[in-house]
Amino acid sequence: KQEVTQIPAALSVPEGENLVLNCSFTDSAIYNLQWFRQDPGKGLTSLLLIQSSQREQTSGRLNASLDKSSGRSTLYIAASQPGDSATYLCAAPTPNAGGTSYGKLTFGQGTILTVHP
Amino acid sequence: EPEVTQTPSHQVTQMGQEVILRCVPISNHLYFYWYRQILGQKVEFLVSFYNNEISEKSEIFDDQFSVERPDGSNFTLKIRSTKLEDSAMYFCASRQTYYEQYFGPGTRLTVT
Repeated sequence: KQEVTQIPAALSVPEGENLVLNCSFTDSAIYNLQWFRQDPGKGLTSLLLIQSSQREQTSGRLNASLDKSSGRSTLYIAASQPGDSATYLCAAPTPNAGGTSYGKLTFGQGTILTVHP
Repeated sequence: EPEVTQTPSHQVTQMGQEVILRCVPISNHLYFYWYRQILGQKVEFLVSFYNNEISEKSEIFDDQFSVERPDGSNFTLKIRSTKLEDSAMYFCASRQTYYEQYFGPGTRLTVT
């Protein structure tokens, strides 16, 4: 059964800092991993999808890495801004008991990021 | 840019009442999902739908829940007899093959 864990649970940094959010997963037989942003009371915005064949994926100031062998992914945010304040979620696709995947995502608890001016 | 839409944004209902949550997935997507998030908890999977049938469902998705794709655009989640513990944010999502899932803005369901 896939379990996804994110650390730290919360992070508060001054504006301009580079920071790393961590995600670990127990079942390494994944074909991709997705990072989301969630603002309070809002929906999930997809930030990055990293395929299992990739080691890194970049979008602007965001860079995600994936190491299937160790069951880890990291999200690196460069030059953080107050507008980056949100909850960041990682999610891994999880096959059913028979081993077939229909894309069900298992989510971590999230990292609550606060960037103060 | 195409997006997943959901209505209503907020639904208040009394315990025991039926509710229908509506979603319009992205038009060329093939896989459709419902998730929910109880306040302060993880986002959790409810059901996936592909090729006009349920492909997978979680333990939460019991006989009180059903999904339907009545036409080529809408995807609905029905809860037949709501309970207090059904209060949560419900998210619809869709995707195309092995690509990323796109989520809607959610419907906040409050059961009183």
